[in-house]
Amino acid sequence: EAQVTQNPRYLITVTGKKLTVTCSQNMNHEYMSWYRQDPGLGLRQIYYSMNVEVTDKGDVPEGYKVSRKEKRNFPLILESPSPNQTSLYFCASSLRGTDRYYGYTFGSGTRLTVV
Amino acid sequence: QKEVEQNSGPLSVPEGAIASLNCTYSDRGSQSFFWYRQYSGKSPELIMFIYSNGDKEDGRFTAQLNKASQYVSLLIRDSQPSDSATYLCAVNWATGNQFYFGTGTSLTVIP
Repeated sequence: EAQVTQNPRYLITVTGKKLTVTCSQNMNHEYMSWYRQDPGLGLRQIYYSMNVEVTDKGDVPEGYKVSRKEKRNFPLILESPSPNQTSLYFCASSLRGTDRYYGYTFGSGTRLTVV
Repeated sequence: QKEVEQNSGPLSVPEGAIASLNCTYSDRGSQSFFWYRQYSGKSPELIMFIYSNGDKEDGRFTAQLNKASQYVSLLIRDSQPSDSATYLCAVNWATGNQFYFGTGTSLTVIP
């Protein structure tokens, strides 16, 4: 089954404790991205990756890191989480053509609470 | 001006009616548009995408794009209670690799 797998689904952590949210896709998509979803603000792009070793900032990258060492994996790293990073996080991947994208497949989401 | 704007709703329609969801966007040249459906507590799922002016139909769903007026809409024919969800509009500009989402429109289909 074609899918994007995120782990964990739920995470409660304390301020300043480094954490990693994993994301893996089995569709051989070049493009992968991380979003956070907050009430009233919608989905906001944190980082995206065009391919292995190619990453770029989205609209809200502060406090986050990513890496793309393999095509299928795109982990999100919070080096020192703060309460304002409490949110619902989604990883997504997309097939990319020569001049357009074909829409995202989203992971199931990670609900992060930082206390 | 926000890149992508949607009326948050809620929009209520009776079962069997046509639901019309609208999205306006900033003009930044060639764009690709996507409609997603998100059930409460779930991840968004792609309904359809549209690149060219005009209509694109897929089952009960029709996307309409009007680049001159800078809007894209989604029509849901024969609405069912299972269509009750939040509908997200997203845009990708050909000049970049970012996607911008609207905040979504909540739809309730009343049996």
